[in-house]
Formats: sequence, C-alpha cells, structure tokens
Amino acid sequence: DVKVTQSSRYLVKRTGEKVFLECVQDMDHENMFWYRQDPGLGLRLIYFSYDVKMKEKGDIPEGYSVSREKKERFSLILESASTNQTSMYLCASRAPGGARDEQFFGPGTRLTVL
Amino acid sequence: AQTVTQSQPEMSVQEAETVTLSCTYDTSESNYYLFWYKQPPSRQMILVIRQEAYKQQNATENRFSVNFQKAAKPFSLKISDSQLGDTAMYFCAFKGIQGAQKLVFGQGTRLTINP
Repeated sequence: DVKVTQSSRYLVKRTGEKVFLECVQDMDHENMFWYRQDPGLGLRLIYFSYDVKMKEKGDIPEGYSVSREKKERFSLILESASTNQTSMYLCASRAPGGARDEQFFGPGTRLTVL
Repeated sequence: AQTVTQSQPEMSVQEAETVTLSCTYDTSESNYYLFWYKQPPSRQMILVIRQEAYKQQNATENRFSVNFQKAAKPFSLKISDSQLGDTAMYFCAFKGIQGAQKLVFGQGTRLTINP
C-alpha cells in the first residue's frame, strides 16, 4: 500500500514564525503536491513538484515556498506565518501513468496560527 | 480556467438508500478526466471513481457509479445501498491532459448516512 505521512496532525504557531510542514511518501512517486483545505472552498493547490528539485506554483502560492531535495520528501514552508494561513494542509503523491491516475493523500496537518 | 462546482454542501440519507451527489464543471478542453474522492472523518482522502471524458460508458465501481454527459457537463456520483461507512466528505475533481495536469477540486459535499 502507498503510504503518505505528514510530520504533524496538529500544529499551533504564532504570527511571524517560520513553519515547516513535512511530507514523506514511500512509493517512489515522481509527483508530489501540497493543498490547503478550507470549508466551502474545497482543496486548493499551493505548490507541486514533478520530480526532485523541481517545483511549480499552484493556484495560491503567496506566502508559501517548498523544497524537494529528495524524491520521497516534499516540504512546505510558511516563511512568516499569518492568521489567514490557519487551515488544514494536505500532501499528496502520484505516479504518472498509473492505471487510475490516482493521487494518494496524507492524513493532513491542521495548522492554527495565533 | 477550469472550474468545478458542487452546490450541495450537506446531504443525509438513511442506510440502504440510494443517494446522488451533484457536480458540474466547465472546461474548453476536449479531453480530460473527472474524479470523485472521499474523505472519511479523521481519515485520509481516497479515490472512489474515475471517468475518462473520451469514454462513452459511465464508470462503475461496485456500489458507486457516475452519470457523465460530456456535452451538458454534469458529473454526478450515485451511491447505491448506502452504508454507514459511506459517511464522508466527497469531492469532485477535474484534470485536463494539457499543461500542468493538476487536479481542480469542487467545494465538497458532506454526506451523512443515518442508521
């Protein structure tokens, strides 16, 4: 089974702090994604990565950056956390060309910025 | 840009009933994929079913089926013989085959199956 893990289920940070959210997948997938999930808005793509050291902006990249130094790990960085970044953050991975073209999701990190 | 709309924020039905979740999308692409994902309470999101736009036949996976009409652009999910374990948030999603091929999600529908 594909496994996608995220470093924390719950996180509380203060405004202005630098925040790191880590995601690890164990199936050698090339593609990885970071989304935020907000009630009434569904999932919105922040950043994605086609492969190691590659990254592309999604629909809402402002205030975020990412790092992908190793294939299995994709990090989301909030350079200076703000209260409007309070949200659920979901990581996903995908193998291009898979039979169902499925994205496999992690359990999510619920981030609260005070 | 593609848009995906789920206009039913919440639904509830009795166990064993059939329920249909609605989704509409908008795109100018001629070929694309549509998905329904399920997010159970406090559990990871999983893929329920996928439809390829160039296929005439509606996708079916056990108790789950879709109603896909390419010209009209509705994409509903029908759950037959609903079970308590079907209680979840359901998200409709679109993926084109051009450009970045990223998923565009709808707002979600919270489905509750009552005993």
